[in-house]
Amino acid sequence: EPEVTQTPSHQVTQMGQEVILRCVPISNHLYFYWYRQILGQKVEFLVSFYNNEISEKSEIFDDQFSVERPDGSNFTLKIRSTKLEDSAMYFCASSPLRANVLTFGAGSRLTVL
Amino acid sequence: GEDVEQSLFLSVREGDSSVINCTYTDSSSTYLYWYKQEPGAGLQLLTYIFSNMDMKQDQRLTVLLNKKDKHLSLRIADTQTGDSAIYFCAAYGSGNTGKLIFGQGTTLQVKP
Repeated sequence: EPEVTQTPSHQVTQMGQEVILRCVPISNHLYFYWYRQILGQKVEFLVSFYNNEISEKSEIFDDQFSVERPDGSNFTLKIRSTKLEDSAMYFCASSPLRANVLTFGAGSRLTVL
Repeated sequence: GEDVEQSLFLSVREGDSSVINCTYTDSSSTYLYWYKQEPGAGLQLLTYIFSNMDMKQDQRLTVLLNKKDKHLSLRIADTQTGDSAIYFCAAYGSGNTGKLIFGQGTTLQVKP
């Protein structure tokens, strides 16, 4: 069964460092998403991406965050200068159509020290 | 605003049925979802229901949707210890843009 692949599974970084989280969505999907889950809290929407541009973003997704689809397969989330409160599990998801069934990756756990 | 609410904890005995409940505020969501998360793992799509359906059955899982009350439930028949996990209800936010709103998750504990 097709799956969404995320790397790394766990990253530890120092506060102020840049982090790039990578995702390979399902190949025929057109919509891509990032969500995050701070330990013990709800899963929160960050951003959706379609046709090489952001289609929606949440209040959390400020100027420190950016997304990119650098080639035909990868979808990345960059955090420019990490803060302690960025520590969370970050989930990538993709769907074939808008508001269709989302398939999530296994997540990338980010720990900011 | 958009919100999805769930009870936080449910404990059942192995072999019993489990019923996890969820309420949501936005009635425009085309699909409503149940995701399962095991400790340290990602979000596994368990099942979903299209908004024009009242019920969906998939082996041991039964989803009931009451659109009038904006209430969604997941019933797991013959609950097994392997079903112990956190179960998240999710619905689309207004406009069906693909932005999912998640509940806080229900921890299901299955006792042998």
